[in-house]
Amino acid sequence: QVQLQESGPGLVRPSETLSLTCTVSGGSISSYYWSWIRQPPGKGLEWIGYVYYSGTTDYSPSLKSRATISVDRPKNQFSLKLSSVTAADTAVYYCARDLTKGGFDYFDYWGQGILVTVSS
Amino acid sequence: DIQMTQSPSSLSASVGDTVSITCQASQDIANFLNWYQQKPGKAPKVLIKAASHLEEGVPSRFSGSGSGTDFTFTISSLQPEDIATYYCQQYDNLPLFGQGTRLEIK
Repeated sequence: QVQLQESGPGLVRPSETLSLTCTVSGGSISSYYWSWIRQPPGKGLEWIGYVYYSGTTDYSPSLKSRATISVDRPKNQFSLKLSSVTAADTAVYYCARDLTKGGFDYFDYWGQGILVTVSS
Repeated sequence: DIQMTQSPSSLSASVGDTVSITCQASQDIANFLNWYQQKPGKAPKVLIKAASHLEEGVPSRFSGSGSGTDFTFTISSLQPEDIATYYCQQYDNLPLFGQGTRLEIK
């Protein structure tokens, strides 16, 4: 059973960089796309971006200028960095596996989520 | 950019009712649409993939239909455990979620 676990600081100061890591267990990070998705308190889901196991990335146009996602295959981890954060970046951040198979493309495994608050 | 319009934003129904949620894309996305259920404090869970395909293990009272720009998600015989927020998500281009529909039991 694949499991994902987010880790990182729960509090980030405005204008600084948010850094989160997702550790994948029970399966290999290889041959899949891995995404970060966030959810501000009481609001909907927003896809941030993905990294393929090879290192290829793509991002939501609204966050492309501030987001960087990378993969560490030996550690079976992938990471998110979001620069110049403001209070609007306060959210629960989820990591998820993007399964692309047999004509389907959907998020099949998710982490439990980590609340990151941007505040001084 | 593709826009997704999901409606209604909230819905109240009784146990045993049939409820429907719609999602409209701003351009043709074929059947590249998934539906997720999110319970409070939990990560979303996929219920329907590629517009109409039920995910393994998901009860058959959940169903999806549509293609192109108009999609419908239906719960027949609503159960108390179906209290959740439901999201559509397109994947024709970069992933994009609908605004969500909060479902309550009367």
